[in-house]
Amino acid sequence: EVELVESGGVVMQSGGSLRLSCEASGFPFNEYAMHWARQAPGKGLEWVSLISNDGATTYYADSVKGRFTISRDNSKNTLFLQMNRLRPDDTALYYCAIGLTNYLTTSPMDVWGKGATVTVSS
Amino acid sequence: DIQLTQSPNLLSASVGDRATITCRASQDISRHLAWYHQKPGKAPKLLIYAASILISGVPSRFSGSGSGTEFTLTITSLQPEDFATYYCQQVDTHPLTFGGGTKVE
Repeated sequence: EVELVESGGVVMQSGGSLRLSCEASGFPFNEYAMHWARQAPGKGLEWVSLISNDGATTYYADSVKGRFTISRDNSKNTLFLQMNRLRPDDTALYYCAIGLTNYLTTSPMDVWGKGATVTVSS
Repeated sequence: DIQLTQSPNLLSASVGDRATITCRASQDISRHLAWYHQKPGKAPKLLIYAASILISGVPSRFSGSGSGTEFTLTITSLQPEDFATYYCQQVDTHPLTFGGGTKVE
């Protein structure tokens, strides 16, 4: 069974740094691009970032470009999101998700984790 | 960036009704559009990709159509479990973007 489990969510001060992790199981992790998306309290979905299956290509939303870095460790089936210079408007539930089609970087988000909560106070 | 505009924001309906949600893209995205639904407190679930292809296990009362800049999600006969928020997402060009959502209540 495919499973994604996010961890690392905390309450923290504006300007700080945080790394989220997403542990994957039940599928060939090294064949699939992986996404991060987020949802602020009471708001809609916002796509955040994607990394290709081999980690060579990354994409970011404008709102996080230059502050967040996506990476992966295929030997440990784990996806990461390094978040720097955090702001109160980064407060959200952060989800990781698998790209629907293996190897494709323009693929919708198939299976989602339950999310990790990040709260940034001013 | 490609903007997606969903309408309506809120759809009031009853069990058995037909529901139609529209998603308009700010530029041509061919058929590179997906639909999700999300129930309160749960992660989103992918329903449709490539504008009209149903994910395995999604009931046939769901259908998607459109291409270019105009897309539609139709639920032919609403069931109690369909009352949720629906989002479209374009996967044509990075950065990928979501529509603002349509709540079906």
